[in-house]
Amino acid sequence: EAGVAQSPRYKIIEKRQSVAFWCNPISGHATLYWYQQILGQGPKLLIQFQNNGVVDDSQLPKDRFSAERLKGVDSTLKIQPAKLEDSAVYLCASSLSAGARETQYFGPGTRLLVL
Amino acid sequence: KQEVTQIPAALSVPEGENLVLNCSFTDSAIYNLQWFRQDPGKGLTSLLLIQSSQREQTSGRLNASLDKSSGRSTLYIAASQPGDSATYLCAYTGTASKLTFGTGTRLQVTL
Repeated sequence: EAGVAQSPRYKIIEKRQSVAFWCNPISGHATLYWYQQILGQGPKLLIQFQNNGVVDDSQLPKDRFSAERLKGVDSTLKIQPAKLEDSAVYLCASSLSAGARETQYFGPGTRLLVL
Repeated sequence: KQEVTQIPAALSVPEGENLVLNCSFTDSAIYNLQWFRQDPGKGLTSLLLIQSSQREQTSGRLNASLDKSSGRSTLYIAASQPGDSATYLCAYTGTASKLTFGTGTRLQVTL
């Protein structure tokens, strides 16, 4: 079974530029998550999708971050414009459903450096 | 604000030693607690998941315990190997059905 795929794996941009990350979840997984992991910290949930609808985006900085999951499969996370503090690893995860007992499977992450 | 604390932040042990990683959390209403492994440049891999009704889970050389009343969990690694070197994260699922992570323990097992 293929795992969660993410691209690109690394990205370096200058502040105020825009960047987009892509995630392809495990086939059949209805729930998709984006996490931000700043160096030395644990992952923090940015947004959760159930199919193509948003379940939780309470910690998404909506003035600069946006995410979509068209057709309920792949997802993109965009930052526009980027700030220095956005430097982090962005992890995508998926699960069969949104239940508390469901296991989340994580992708390898995209490492972003904002200069 | 619900928090997860992991102690120690970093640990270096010689190969073959048994070790314990600690995790404490403030949320008393958790559904489950998980221990994850994170290798550099890679995503997270779930090692063990303990439901709130359970006290412990075992997988090979790993044993995780959960004490909800005191808000603590431990991950015990027996006979450590250099391949165990990684960052170990604990996370719980609370009433909002989302994972709340600790800051991790960076483990190095030396030859």
